[in-house]
Amino acid sequence: EAEVAQSPRYKITEKSQAVAFWCDPISGHATLYWYRQILGQGPELLVQFQDESVVDDSQLPKDRFSAERLKGVDSTLKIQPAELGDSAMYLCASSLGSGSRTTQYFGPGTRLTVL
Amino acid sequence: GQQVMQIPQYQHVQEGEDFTTYCNSSTTLSNIQWYKQRPGGHPVFLIQLVKSGEVKKQKRLTFQFGEAKKNSSLHITATQTTDVGTYFCAEGRGANNLFFGTGTRLTVIP
Repeated sequence: EAEVAQSPRYKITEKSQAVAFWCDPISGHATLYWYRQILGQGPELLVQFQDESVVDDSQLPKDRFSAERLKGVDSTLKIQPAELGDSAMYLCASSLGSGSRTTQYFGPGTRLTVL
Repeated sequence: GQQVMQIPQYQHVQEGEDFTTYCNSSTTLSNIQWYKQRPGGHPVFLIQLVKSGEVKKQKRLTFQFGEAKKNSSLHITATQTTDVGTYFCAEGRGANNLFFGTGTRLTVIP
């Protein structure tokens, strides 16, 4: 069964450093999402792509976070500079279609620890 | 911020007991999805409810959508240790956006 791939699985960094996460969605999935999940809470959407275009980045802290999906396939999420409060699980998800009723498939996530 | 509330936040049950988690919203929901997240894992889609009063079953799991489409519930009959994890409801809204509830963490004591 096809899965969403993410790397790295774990990342430890010091505050003020730059970090980057990579996601490869399920083949053929046009929509890609990045979520942040703080321990003990539900995932919160950071950014949504439809192919290579950003559909929603209203919750993305743009002063330090950036995301791109240049060729409409894999995607990178970057944080620069990282802050202590950025420690969380960063989840990537993808879906085949669009619309609020589409099922999203999540990757294993990248657990970020900022020291 | 999140507008979908889930209760309880935590639930400990003896293996074989039933378990229910509730999802409540102050506004009418277009649809509701349920996800399960095992400890250390990622959310996995369970089911989607769309129609008012809808009831769906998956083996020991029963999902309900309220008549007013403002609440939903997940009921597990005769829990097993494999049911351990956090159960999230998520409101489908807008162009593919999911707004996750706060989750209910289930612990099953063997």
